[in-house]
Amino acid sequence: GAVVSQHPSRVICKSGTSVKIECRSLDFQATTMFWYRQFPKQSLMLMATSNEGSKATYEQGVEKDKFLINHASLTLSTLTVTSAHPEDSSFYICSAYSSGTGSYNEQFFGPGTRLTVL
Amino acid sequence: GQQVMQIPQYQHVQEGEDFTTYCNSSTTLSNIQWYKQRPGGHPVFLIQLVKSGEVKKQKRLTFQFGEAKKNSSLHITATQTTDVGTYFCAGSGGSYIPTFGRGTSLIVHP
Repeated sequence: GAVVSQHPSRVICKSGTSVKIECRSLDFQATTMFWYRQFPKQSLMLMATSNEGSKATYEQGVEKDKFLINHASLTLSTLTVTSAHPEDSSFYICSAYSSGTGSYNEQFFGPGTRLTVL
Repeated sequence: GQQVMQIPQYQHVQEGEDFTTYCNSSTTLSNIQWYKQRPGGHPVFLIQLVKSGEVKKQKRLTFQFGEAKKNSSLHITATQTTDVGTYFCAGSGGSYIPTFGRGTSLIVHP
């Protein structure tokens, strides 16, 4: 299946700093990328939907000024957690979607980024 | 908005026993997908169901989509330790963006 990479896999930062997470589709062009947040032993919480070349659509309750999303190309989306605080510590997962990619137009997930804010 | 409920949240089984997780939507779905997430890993697509009453099998896994297209189930026959993980359903209604259930974590005891 299609491959999605995510970088970094783990990051530890001090409170107040900003962290950028990259999501790349390696062998297909992703018209849409999704950003999820997952707390331990919980489900995937959709944060935002990102379409190439346009502004991201944020889910209710997600601060767009805190979680900056840029979908600069059909293979790259970035999530920047600005002024991170300990409560932002979580597992952030991206997924990529493209109509016609895969047998069922399913989402292809990246390996995730474990963010720890001290 | 669309809600997808999944039960149970956890299921402990002895190796060799069967396992079933259920997914229910508050609205009629156009399709439902199932994903598996191994401990420490990321979700991996298993299958998609589209038709009313559809049943699909993958080796020991059987997936069903209800007649009303509002519920689905995943059944594993004779579980193995390799089946350990969290199984998510994800239902799509009018939008192509699916709503994920909270997942069922399967623990298999050898």
